[in-house]
Amino acid sequence: GAGVSQSPRYKVAKRGQDVALRCDPISGHVSLFWYQQALGQGPEFLTYFQNEAQLDKSGLPSDRFFAERPEGSVSTLKIQRTQQEDSAVYLCASSLLLGWGGHTDTQYFGPGTRLTVL
Amino acid sequence: AQSVTQLGSHVSVSEGALVLLRCNYSSSVPPYLFWYVQYPNQGLQLLLKYTTGATLVKGINGFEAEFKKSETSFHLTKPSAHMSDAAEYFCAVSEKNQGGKLIFGQGTELSVKP
Repeated sequence: GAGVSQSPRYKVAKRGQDVALRCDPISGHVSLFWYQQALGQGPEFLTYFQNEAQLDKSGLPSDRFFAERPEGSVSTLKIQRTQQEDSAVYLCASSLLLGWGGHTDTQYFGPGTRLTVL
Repeated sequence: AQSVTQLGSHVSVSEGALVLLRCNYSSSVPPYLFWYVQYPNQGLQLLLKYTTGATLVKGINGFEAEFKKSETSFHLTKPSAHMSDAAEYFCAVSEKNQGGKLIFGQGTELSVKP
């Protein structure tokens, strides 16, 4: 497909388990973003990659959250020792990085991974 | 820090009526402004964006928004609502030198009554 894909779509974890969420961006997109969307809220920024470089991780809520994009395409968001407050939809978005530092680019979003921590 | 406020978490209109969804931002420096729509179990889809130039921006599905610097607003409108417009709408901003990360409002759920 031509869009952003995420897997799994749904994940249930017991408190304390580690989880890994995958994002496949649109082919050729330089920028990749992760957002967290709690129930009834707008998405909140977690981290940003330009190719394989993680340029901004200011939104990661704790050191239990880790993201990587080793080859500049697929990205994985890992959450260690999950807590109930980690329950949310995790959204991935990608964009071309056309210029102006990327801040006018259109971000294309995947369907998200709904994480439920019991 | 930049923030985005969407007035009204839920708006209900009748089919054929005007849709008005409100968005205000906090920055003293005009940011770049976006409206996204989210249908159930789907990703966010861009409706329209303002970067520079004309302050009235037209988007997909008949939506438009007007950037008003004096009011720090970017309200979304559609002259005539369709049933298919029922969804969650998010206003977002991005700023220079921030890599393009989006700051979202809390969202407005639009219901359309037949």
